[in-house]
Amino acid sequence: GAVVSQHPSWVICKSGTSVKIECRSLDFQATTMFWYRQFPKQSLMLMATSNEGSKATYEQGVEKDKFLINHASLTLSTLTVTSAHPEDSSFYICSAGPGGGNEKLFFGSGTQLSVL
Amino acid sequence: QKEVEQDPGPLSVPEGAIVSLNCTYSNSAFQYFMWYRQYSRKGPELLMYTYSSGNKEDGRFTAQVDKSSKYISLFIRDSQPSDSATYLCATPNNNDMRFGAGTRLTVKP
Repeated sequence: GAVVSQHPSWVICKSGTSVKIECRSLDFQATTMFWYRQFPKQSLMLMATSNEGSKATYEQGVEKDKFLINHASLTLSTLTVTSAHPEDSSFYICSAGPGGGNEKLFFGSGTQLSVL
Repeated sequence: QKEVEQDPGPLSVPEGAIVSLNCTYSNSAFQYFMWYRQYSRKGPELLMYTYSSGNKEDGRFTAQVDKSSKYISLFIRDSQPSDSATYLCATPNNNDMRFGAGTRLTVKP
């Protein structure tokens, strides 16, 4: 099946620093990628939709200046958590689908962010 | 009311048992339904998807959709300890995916 690669799988950083997470579609082109956040024992919460060549669409309540999304190519989207604080500690997951939409999405392996 | 409701469990069964995982949804316009399996600290893995009503079988897994009652089910036959994970039902909605809360399943040897 389609493969979505996410890197890094975990990161620990100091409060106030920025962290970049990469999401790559390895065997298909993705005009749209999705970024989710997941707290322990909870389901995935959509943060934003990343659109290749245009601005990302953020869900209500998600700060676009804090969670910067760049989708510069058809196979790569990045999420940068700027000026991270302990409350940003969470599991971040990206997804994409070969159909370009939201059907049959494939997920990255996730990134566990811990902000000290 | 959430668009997709799922009992978070946890659910614990002995090895070899038949497992039934269920979700309900509120919007009759939903057409595609997915089941994802997520191991701890990993991304969800697509198990099965169905379109409209009916059953779909893949090995030990059967997905069932009843649109008249807006009910989605995943059955696991001959459950194995390796099936221990969180199972999430999901359905596409506009430009994103609506997930259930996920049911934590433990299959004990």
